[in-house]
Amino acid sequence: DAGVIQSPRHEVTEMGQEVTLRCKPISGHDYLFWYRQTMMRGLELLIYFNNNVPIDDSGMPEDRFSAKMPNASFSTLKIQPSEPRDSAVYFCASSLGRLPDTQYFGPGTRLTVL
Amino acid sequence: GESVGLHLPTLSAQEGDNSIINCAYSNSASDYFIWYKQESGKGPQFIIDIRSNMDKRQGQRVTVLLNKTVKHLSLQIAATQPGDSAVYFCAEPGGYSTLTFGKGTMLLVSP
Repeated sequence: DAGVIQSPRHEVTEMGQEVTLRCKPISGHDYLFWYRQTMMRGLELLIYFNNNVPIDDSGMPEDRFSAKMPNASFSTLKIQPSEPRDSAVYFCASSLGRLPDTQYFGPGTRLTVL
Repeated sequence: GESVGLHLPTLSAQEGDNSIINCAYSNSASDYFIWYKQESGKGPQFIIDIRSNMDKRQGQRVTVLLNKTVKHLSLQIAATQPGDSAVYFCAEPGGYSTLTFGKGTMLLVSP
């Protein structure tokens, strides 16, 4: 398997623009997680899905952030409008089942908002 | 690659040393702990886990020790190599299906 795939790997945008990050989980995995990593706050869970259904979005910082999972092989994280403080590395991870099943991380998307 | 923390605790080692990375966890009810490794520019990668009913678990060149009395976890890496240079995170369950990650420790291994 190719592992978790994320695109784009790097995104540079200007404040106010819409940003869409994409994730393809490992085939057969029922759980998908979106994380954000910054120097100040470390690795934080934003939202996770089970069988394409959002289960917990309490980590989503604001209404500017939204996530969808239209099918088992694709998820998006959208920021609209983007702000400089959204600059971070965003990771998608997937797992076969709930804990203690291992979460496998993608390579991340480095977002820079100018 | 992406810098994950300019002010992370840093452990420096020479190739061949045995390295120990420590982690204090917060929830005494946690029943499962995991160590992840994150190389520069990459996502975290699972290394090893341990259940709370164990106090030691060994993998390939790595050993995790759990001291529930003081809520302390450690990762021992034997005969460290330059390829072990990375940020190491401990994690514990943050909910039914989620993980809470520690701030991480950077390991720098010199040839």
